[in-house]
Amino acid sequence: EAGVTQSPTHLIKTRGQQATLRCSPISGHTSVYWYQQALGLGLQFLLWYDEGEERNRGNFPPRFSGRQFPNYSSELNVNALELEDSALYLCASSLAGLAGGRLRGYNEQFFGPGTRLTVL
Amino acid sequence: GNSVTQMEGPVTLSEEAFLTINCTYTATGYPSLFWYVQYPGEGLQLLLKATKADDKGSNKGFEATYRKETTSFHLEKGSVQVSDSAVYFCAPPKVDQFYFGTGTSLTVIP
Repeated sequence: EAGVTQSPTHLIKTRGQQATLRCSPISGHTSVYWYQQALGLGLQFLLWYDEGEERNRGNFPPRFSGRQFPNYSSELNVNALELEDSALYLCASSLAGLAGGRLRGYNEQFFGPGTRLTVL
Repeated sequence: GNSVTQMEGPVTLSEEAFLTINCTYTATGYPSLFWYVQYPGEGLQLLLKATKADDKGSNKGFEATYRKETTSFHLEKGSVQVSDSAVYFCAPPKVDQFYFGTGTSLTVIP
């Protein structure tokens, strides 16, 4: 079974540019999560998508946005890049999510290898 | 609010030493608790989980018991190896709350 995949592996941008990061979940998983892992700051929750909708958002500015496609893959966009956006961006997928409008399950998250974003 | 307090690192141990990484949580009623591990240059992966109070999770020689009375889920290993060098995260798996924190960095020296 294929795991969570992310692309690109590395991304180098300059300040003010936009970055697009992609994630493909494990087949059958409907929830996708995005995290930022900056040096010394641990893993910070960015966004949660389930069934194509944004369900929860972490404490990040609006220039961090994303979407989930009908095939449950997801894209994270970071606009107006700043130097402090340099980090490892991790995507995770899970069976947990919504069912009939109600939260279901407390299942483990499966992580991809990450995209290393460097802003110069 | 609900949160998890994890022992800060970094932790450096000699090979075959005993490891304990403390993890306590403030909320009650978690249906399960997880430990994740991140090896150098990789994403996180599930190390073990406990699915109910007093349940013990184990994997690769690591163990953790979900103790409701002390709200703890400490990670232990009797004899660490160099290959155990990684960052360890105690994580509550609630769907709408995601807190992995900074983790605990472990370095095992030969």
